[in-house]
Amino acid sequence: AQSVTQLDSHVSVSEGTPVLLRCNYSSSYSPSLFWYVQHPNKGLQLLLKYTSAATLVKGINGFEAEFKKSETSFHLTKPSAHMSDAAEYFCVVSEDTGGFKTIFGAGTRLFVKA
Amino acid sequence: GAVVSQHPSWVICKSGTSVKIECRSLDFQATTMFWYRQFPKQSLMLMATSNEGSKATYEQGVEKDKFLINHASLTLSTLTVTSAHPEDSSFYICSARWAGYTFGSGTRLTVV
Repeated sequence: AQSVTQLDSHVSVSEGTPVLLRCNYSSSYSPSLFWYVQHPNKGLQLLLKYTSAATLVKGINGFEAEFKKSETSFHLTKPSAHMSDAAEYFCVVSEDTGGFKTIFGAGTRLFVKA
Repeated sequence: GAVVSQHPSWVICKSGTSVKIECRSLDFQATTMFWYRQFPKQSLMLMATSNEGSKATYEQGVEKDKFLINHASLTLSTLTVTSAHPEDSSFYICSARWAGYTFGSGTRLTVV
């Protein structure tokens, strides 16, 4: 069965320090994996996606994520947090096996302290 | 926690017919809901922002006459795909904001 677990509901970092948002998934097939960010009262914005190419995926705004099949993880990282990174982040898994389906993680709220 | 119920989970319809998808917040009131569309291996695309009691705000390139959005109450928003064609076949998902953001389970539309 397909599932997504974001391991932290809240993460707080200081500006300029690294960001790590954790995501584990389970999928019976080769999934596509995504990270989205959502700022208050805005729609989702795609940060990056993995669709079976390079396992280290670089996204916008300095974010990147590494697909680790052995660990079934797709953690999102950024070397240095900026105040504008404060938002909610969603890890998403999609499968297309004749029954296309997308599942969202519960989200991680990122707080950035000055 | 906040739950968004989306129905149907999948639907097959004939070309030229209309299909309605419902997005309902079960235990909270949502003044704003979002509608997204996704193709296989592609990212979600925001179609429109649905505001209770007023007209939806559509993203550029989304045909408002084809994708009718109604947010008549604080717990229900509907997306109607009018005169559906095979190219409208896609995965549609809604989202509502409570303390955070909650997503429906999605609707897979196949137009034959």
